[in-house]
Amino acid sequence: DVKVTQSSRYLVKRTGEKVFLECVQDMDHENMFWYRQDPGLGLRLIYFSYDVKMKEKGDIPEGYSVSREKKERFSLILESASTNQTSMYLCASKSDSYEQYFGPGTRLTVT
Amino acid sequence: QQQVKQSPQSLIVQKGGISIINCAYENTAFDYFPWYQQFPGKGPALLIAIRPDVSEKKEGRFTISFNKSAKQFSLHIMDSQPGDSATYFCAARGAYLGQNFVFGPGTRLSVLP
Repeated sequence: DVKVTQSSRYLVKRTGEKVFLECVQDMDHENMFWYRQDPGLGLRLIYFSYDVKMKEKGDIPEGYSVSREKKERFSLILESASTNQTSMYLCASKSDSYEQYFGPGTRLTVT
Repeated sequence: QQQVKQSPQSLIVQKGGISIINCAYENTAFDYFPWYQQFPGKGPALLIAIRPDVSEKKEGRFTISFNKSAKQFSLHIMDSQPGDSATYFCAARGAYLGQNFVFGPGTRLSVLP
């Protein structure tokens, strides 16, 4: 069964902290994605990766970075968390076929 | 051109009724149109998808209708059930986007018992 897991379901951080969100997939997929989800805005792509050690900016990369050292793991990093980064963060993975699989999400609150 | 518009923002339907959610796009390079279902506290899950070479696809109570000339596609949920209450997202993908999708803003469906 397809599985994408995210390290935390809920996270509360203070402004200025460095935040790591981890995502692991067990499907040997080449492609992995980080989205943020906000009410009325749908899913917006932050970063994506087509292969190990490669990354591409999505639509809203500002304030974020990513790391992909292993094929199954894709990390999202908030270098200095700000309150406007309070959101639901979703990781997804897909093979080169069309279907995309999402993790359960991490609800991040920055105070 | 990359945008996918979705309506309505929210929808309330009685049990047994038909739920209809509409999406529209501009870019004719899109070639795959999935619908995702998301329950509270969960990630989105693929519900049903269509390619533009067919006008309709049905899976159980869920049907996608696709109008290529109007650049519109819609999700119909027949005999809606309270368990269908969720947020629904349409999306689109095109070869020019690589492996990426563009998503509509979502529709929150509530099915009343």
